Amino acid sequence: GAVVSQHPSRVICKSGTSVKIECRSLDFQATTMFWYRQFPKKSLMLMATSNEGSKATYEQGVEKDKFLINHASLTLSTLTVTSAHPEDSSFYICSAGGTAGRKYNEQFFGPGTRLTVL
Amino acid sequence: LAKTTQPISMDSYEGQEVNITCSHNNIATNDYITWYQQFPSQGPRFIIQGYKTKVTNEVASLFIPADRKSSTLSLPRVSLSDTAVYYCLVGDDDYKLSFGAGTTVTVRA
Repeated sequence: GAVVSQHPSRVICKSGTSVKIECRSLDFQATTMFWYRQFPKKSLMLMATSNEGSKATYEQGVEKDKFLINHASLTLSTLTVTSAHPEDSSFYICSAGGTAGRKYNEQFFGPGTRLTVL
Repeated sequence: LAKTTQPISMDSYEGQEVNITCSHNNIATNDYITWYQQFPSQGPRFIIQGYKTKVTNEVASLFIPADRKSSTLSLPRVSLSDTAVYYCLVGDDDYKLSFGAGTTVTVRA
């Protein structure tokens, strides 16, 4: 149990376009989801906390108008990278906590989405 | 969130035990210690969690001394498939995680 999926797994887009990434909790309800980005050989950096039915909370330095997050249901959160540029190329990972967590801080991570902006 | 410090990398051979120590001098009373494993181009995976003393599951053991200012993840008899980055995280129950640099463990044949 406690599976989180992401779609797409890989996307290549042109500079200036917008890209939407979906994060779904498949077998549990996720009241809270998190979005991370990870550059090659680097650690995960938390971008924002997404709470179902309310606005996302962004970490310092993350542009909320560029990285739009929508958590419309207990099983789906979306991250839209607007007007993407090559520097937005990264590995984006979502995670979900909530009722499936058996322990404190136990989050279930999606497989990640590799975004390449040309 | 308490800051953690881990070795950048560790090398080992198949069949050996690997011990990774994490320092967390500013751990708070309510904080738990959690370890995650990450393979390249995949999301992290929960390994083990503890609050004090020793915790063991089917893949690892976690040793936490009485002062809780450090913890050691022990991987028994590693195999090539255990080559990954291991992250030590410390936090309370608000689910927010802060990842440090992690330890890259390389297992050789």
